[in-house]
Amino acid sequence: DVKVTQSSRYLVKRTGEKVFLECVQDMDHENMFWYRQDPGLGLRLIYFSYDVKMKEKGDIPEGYSVSREKKERFSLILESASTNQTSMYLCASTLAGADTEAFFGQGTRLTVV
Amino acid sequence: GNSVTQMEGPVTLSEEAFLTINCTYTATGYPSLFWYVQYPGEGLQLLLKATKADDKGSNKGFEATYRKETTSFHLEKGSVQVSDSAVYFCALGNQAGTALIFGKGTTLSVSS
Repeated sequence: DVKVTQSSRYLVKRTGEKVFLECVQDMDHENMFWYRQDPGLGLRLIYFSYDVKMKEKGDIPEGYSVSREKKERFSLILESASTNQTSMYLCASTLAGADTEAFFGQGTRLTVV
Repeated sequence: GNSVTQMEGPVTLSEEAFLTINCTYTATGYPSLFWYVQYPGEGLQLLLKATKADDKGSNKGFEATYRKETTSFHLEKGSVQVSDSAVYFCALGNQAGTALIFGKGTTLSVSS
């Protein structure tokens, strides 16, 4: 069974902390994505990566960075967490090209206090 | 640019009612179309897809037909169940090679 696994289901962090969200996929997919999901706004793309060490900004990259040192792992970093980054974060992966099915992790509900 | 518009919710139905969630798109070329479902507290999972015009995707009693002439991919189910309560997302493949383009999601609530 194919899988995208996010390291935490729930996280509570303090304002100003550096936060790492980890995502691992076991499908040998080239592309990996980080989205945030907020009520009324749907899914918004933060960053994506189409290869190891490659990254591209999505629609809302401000306040975030990413790291992809290995093909199977894609990390989202909040350099200095703020309360407006409280959200559901979703990781996804696809084969090369984006006209293919995306597989999602279970999501991380991050609360910044 | 490419975009997806889906009907806003919430949609509230009684069990066994007929469901339609509208989705229209703007795209160059002929990208694939998808419906994803998100159950409470979960990530998104693929419900069905269609890869070319006039294709019909189906799964778990849900259906959607890729209509090029009306640029639509409406989701339908003949008889909904309480267990269908979830958020449904329409998505457009992106042949430029970046991410899928998602609609904002429609929340469905089914009561017994």
